[in-house]
Amino acid sequence: GQQVMQIPQYQHVQEGEDFTTYCNSSTTLSNIQWYKQRPGGHPVFLIQLVKSGEVKKQKRLTFQFGEAKKNSSLHITATQTTDVGTYFCAGDSNSGYALNFGKGTSLLVTP
Amino acid sequence: KAGVTQTPRYLIKTRGQQVTLSCSPISGHRSVSWYQQTPGQGLQFLFEYFSETQRNKGNFPGRFSGRQFSNSRSEMNVSTLELGDSALYLCASSGGSGQRNTIYFGEGSWLTVV
Repeated sequence: GQQVMQIPQYQHVQEGEDFTTYCNSSTTLSNIQWYKQRPGGHPVFLIQLVKSGEVKKQKRLTFQFGEAKKNSSLHITATQTTDVGTYFCAGDSNSGYALNFGKGTSLLVTP
Repeated sequence: KAGVTQTPRYLIKTRGQQVTLSCSPISGHRSVSWYQQTPGQGLQFLFEYFSETQRNKGNFPGRFSGRQFSNSRSEMNVSTLELGDSALYLCASSGGSGQRNTIYFGEGSWLTVV
């Protein structure tokens, strides 16, 4: 079945440094979604990418969807302590109506 | 507009018991899905319901079941609890019938099996 893999598993940065997490799928995705989960919280939707090669920005966050629609990345410029949390990517399963989540990248930002 | 509401938030059960978790979706949302989150396995899809029909089911044993009511509220049940069932159970709702709709998670139900 479809597998969604994320790297790195953990990332520790100093405040102000950039951060990138990568997501790769074993199959072509119809779309990819990104979620953020703060410690002790629940996943919160960030963005959905649908088109091949799509790039979307949300303030300091830049999301990309690969040309082959099998990979994606999330880049945070000049991290802040408020960026701490686990970032998950998720793709549609083959049968639809369900999301296959990557295992997430846990980001720690120290001031 | 109220978000996804899950009850109970925390519960402790003994091995062999059964548990029922409840989820009220965002008003107007007709799709409800359930996920299990554990440190080792991450977020794993359990099942999804739309208009009282289960449309998709994840790779979990038959001890895990669910249902959806006519008002879109959903419940999931786990019978004969095992220690490995300890997890955060997340409910998510979505507004439409299509495959590309964003899902909105509730705060989850923390289940500890002892």
